[in-house]
Amino acid sequence: DTEVTQTPKHLVMGMTNKKSLKCEQHMGHRAMYWYKQKAKKPPELMFVYSYEKLSINESVPSRFSPECPNSSLLNLHLHALQPEDSALYLCASSQDRIGQGGSEKLFFGSGTQLSVL
Amino acid sequence: KQEVTQIPAALSVPEGENLVLNCSFTDSAIYNLQWFRQDPGKGLTSLLLIQSSQREQTSGRLNASLDKSSGRSTLYIAASQPGDSATYLCAVYSGGGADGLTFGKGTHLIIQP
Repeated sequence: DTEVTQTPKHLVMGMTNKKSLKCEQHMGHRAMYWYKQKAKKPPELMFVYSYEKLSINESVPSRFSPECPNSSLLNLHLHALQPEDSALYLCASSQDRIGQGGSEKLFFGSGTQLSVL
Repeated sequence: KQEVTQIPAALSVPEGENLVLNCSFTDSAIYNLQWFRQDPGKGLTSLLLIQSSQREQTSGRLNASLDKSSGRSTLYIAASQPGDSATYLCAVYSGGGADGLTFGKGTHLIIQP
């Protein structure tokens, strides 16, 4: 199994809603990532989890809250988002955290297309 | 700060042609470079990863080369097919953890049947 699975594929939410994005991988990877991608732009790193511990928070607003319940699962909790947060949210994993000397090859999920009204 | 540029931003060619996509980076002190493919509204698929000590990598009809000293990489696609239509992004890893991975904006490729 070489897949990273993200749910839901599409999400529309109001600015007062609370929702969660989910990501799952069964490749035994020890690092998982959240990226945000706006149309025609490259992905931007939001969070990195390594061995289920948050190792990088790229100064992302607190309305985004990551959670790593176990080594296979990664959640992104959303609350009080703004319309400018509308984007494609991508989950990725790698064998080891990038920079640990292991494989830097990233495996991405298909993403959640989020629209905030 | 590392900057990655991809030229052209968009490319449209007839089916069957061989083509080259370009990627340049400003800081040659990199550990590796990856080429990704992204279909509309989908995630990225890693195509090839070249370590800084390597000159090229091949997978099927794809060949990626790396000239670290000049800050350039090319992705060569042989005998292009309509199914190759996608956006191709390159990303360089310059060290310092995950925030040291810098993506280009991509080349949007259309293969005309």
